Amino acid sequence: QKEVEQDPGPLSVPEGAIVSLNCTYSNSAFQYFMWYRQYSRKGPELLMYTYSSGNKEDGRFTAQVDKSSKYISLFIRDSQPSDSATYLCAMSAMGRDDKIIFGKGTRLHILP
Amino acid sequence: GAGVSQSPRYKVAKRGQDVALRCDPISGHVSLFWYQQALGQGPEFLTYFQNEAQLDKSGLPSDRFFAERPEGSVSTLKIQRTQQEDSAVYLCAGSLSNNEQFFGPGTRLTVL
Repeated sequence: QKEVEQDPGPLSVPEGAIVSLNCTYSNSAFQYFMWYRQYSRKGPELLMYTYSSGNKEDGRFTAQVDKSSKYISLFIRDSQPSDSATYLCAMSAMGRDDKIIFGKGTRLHILP
Repeated sequence: GAGVSQSPRYKVAKRGQDVALRCDPISGHVSLFWYQQALGQGPEFLTYFQNEAQLDKSGLPSDRFFAERPEGSVSTLKIQRTQQEDSAVYLCAGSLSNNEQFFGPGTRLTVL
């Protein structure tokens, strides 16, 4: 079993829908939880970052972490075609500049 | 420069050839990471530098992989006697202390 599990999709939703992406993990040492967005032939870019359990909102994006269940989520409201990308959940034990363990990534398509 | 640059962007090598991949991080980024991203997978950690010191090389898959950062800025990942399973995108990321990692666009290596 991999340390971080993520459904690879693809996930196709109509424009304007709410998107829900999630990951589970097994290593209880993880304390820093991130979501990266990766467009084709580009490097990942940090979208959301959360320390420990809780929720964090940034515009149309909300990240949730439930450490008791080892489950993290990313919600995208009012999805746009420009949101079409691969979304990678990621986590680390010691900080954002520690080695990051990534999920496999979920390919998301927003249909106009 | 404004971001992390990597060169070459694409590299085709014959099996058994040696390759060298270069990373130019953002000026002042003391931490530098290398990740390997196979097709359809998330990035996997290879190695980590703080300035010129290689502090973690636990992710290097074999002794054919070698990384260096002699002056604490530019880094080179070298792969000797390339094998087909080395085909992947090699990503470099840099960060300030305790801050997010900024990724380059990657080098896509294809071993024939």
